[in-house]
Amino acid sequence: AQSVTQLDSQVPVFEEAPVELRCNYSSSVSVYLFWYVQYPNQGLQLLLKYLSGSTLVESINGFEAEFNKSQTSFHLRKPSVHISDTAEYFCAVSVSPSGGFKTIFGAGTRLFVKA
Amino acid sequence: DGGITQSPKYLFRKEGQNVTLSCEQNLNHDAMYWYRQDPGQGLRLIYYSQIVNDFQKGDIAEGYSVSREKKESFPLTVTSAQKNPTAFYLCASSRDRIVNTGELFFGEGSRLTVL
Repeated sequence: AQSVTQLDSQVPVFEEAPVELRCNYSSSVSVYLFWYVQYPNQGLQLLLKYLSGSTLVESINGFEAEFNKSQTSFHLRKPSVHISDTAEYFCAVSVSPSGGFKTIFGAGTRLFVKA
Repeated sequence: DGGITQSPKYLFRKEGQNVTLSCEQNLNHDAMYWYRQDPGQGLRLIYYSQIVNDFQKGDIAEGYSVSREKKESFPLTVTSAQKNPTAFYLCASSRDRIVNTGELFFGEGSRLTVL
């Protein structure tokens, strides 16, 4: 069975500091990997995804994540955070057991950026 | 603009009442999903549908029902049998099975509170 573990439930950080949100997964089959962001009382939005190819993927607002197959990790990083990055971040893996897709989410990491 | 529309955004219900949450998409996506979100637990899959007139139970289907009579619509009914229905409910969709990667597109969510 697949599972996703987000190692930190909350991450407080000062504005302009770097941040890393950690995500580990377990799966016996190939997966697609995603990070979604959720602002208060809203749905989730895709932040970035790893499907294949380069193991380092980037978003348009400065986040990046690196797929590490040997460590089964997909940590999210940003070199300098802004107040507006305060949100909840979800790591997810998607597998295709029999034609369809199943997505498993981590429990989420709440990023709180302080001035 | 294409997207997913959920309604109502906020809903209050008395114990013992059924309530139906609406989800409509104009993305021409084949697959649709309902998730339940509780604090600190990530997203849990209630039901999903990969094609019209077909749907499958997710991990926590008890006390819920769905229908998929049209490609655009996937309403969720929270029945009186659901023991703890107070939660944030998210509807999502994904592309057809041929090009799907498991990437999900979410609505803005519906917050149900049982009084």
